Amino acid sequence: DVVMTQSPLSLPVTLGQPASISCRSSQSLVDSDGDTYLNWFQQRPGQSPRRLIYKVFNRDSGVPDRFSGSGSGTDFTLKISRVEAEDVGVYYCMQGTHWYTFGQGTKLEI
Amino acid sequence: QVLLVQSGAEVKKPGASVKVSCKTSGYTFTTYYMHWVRQAPGQGLEWMGIINPTGGSTTYAKKFQGRVTVTRDTSTSTVYMELISLSSDDTAVYYCAREANMDVWGQGTTVTVSS
Repeated sequence: DVVMTQSPLSLPVTLGQPASISCRSSQSLVDSDGDTYLNWFQQRPGQSPRRLIYKVFNRDSGVPDRFSGSGSGTDFTLKISRVEAEDVGVYYCMQGTHWYTFGQGTKLEI
Repeated sequence: QVLLVQSGAEVKKPGASVKVSCKTSGYTFTTYYMHWVRQAPGQGLEWMGIINPTGGSTTYAKKFQGRVTVTRDTSTSTVYMELISLSSDDTAVYYCAREANMDVWGQGTTVTVSS
């Protein structure tokens, strides 16, 4: 099974400052079709997960442009350019190339 | 508007089974596979399985094989997840999520297993 490892697991941030979350996979996430199925989700307290980014860097509709995804192969990053209060929650990476596996989650707190 | 509406909370005794529904609307049901994902209290997300709504074929995570069954009813555009032989470790919120890289999620169904 593919293991997804996120860091840090806890991320204290200051409003208006940038934040970055790393996600590493135990094997390459490049699929035979050439795509890389690495997604990022945000889960606010008491809510269902919400997809932010799909296939590494594609931002979902309605997601603020302060969120960006990057990476390739086994190393991926979610960046928030300027953290706002509404960004508090847990962030998960998920791979969908070798069936499906989530990272442990990163708790972002102000 | 794409919506996934799940059934209500359940309380079950150890050894029992539970069946959770996920009613879809706002898109063609047979176009997208459907996932089931669960989240134990204070824990992360765990993938359980997936169904192709066209033919009903399924794939389950190894951990749940033999205990989980995902089915669908194309006449009502609804997907079901049944989990048997429940234990306290199965206490969790269960989510359905549409394939297309899990772009839309249901509101979650809390299943509590307690004697």
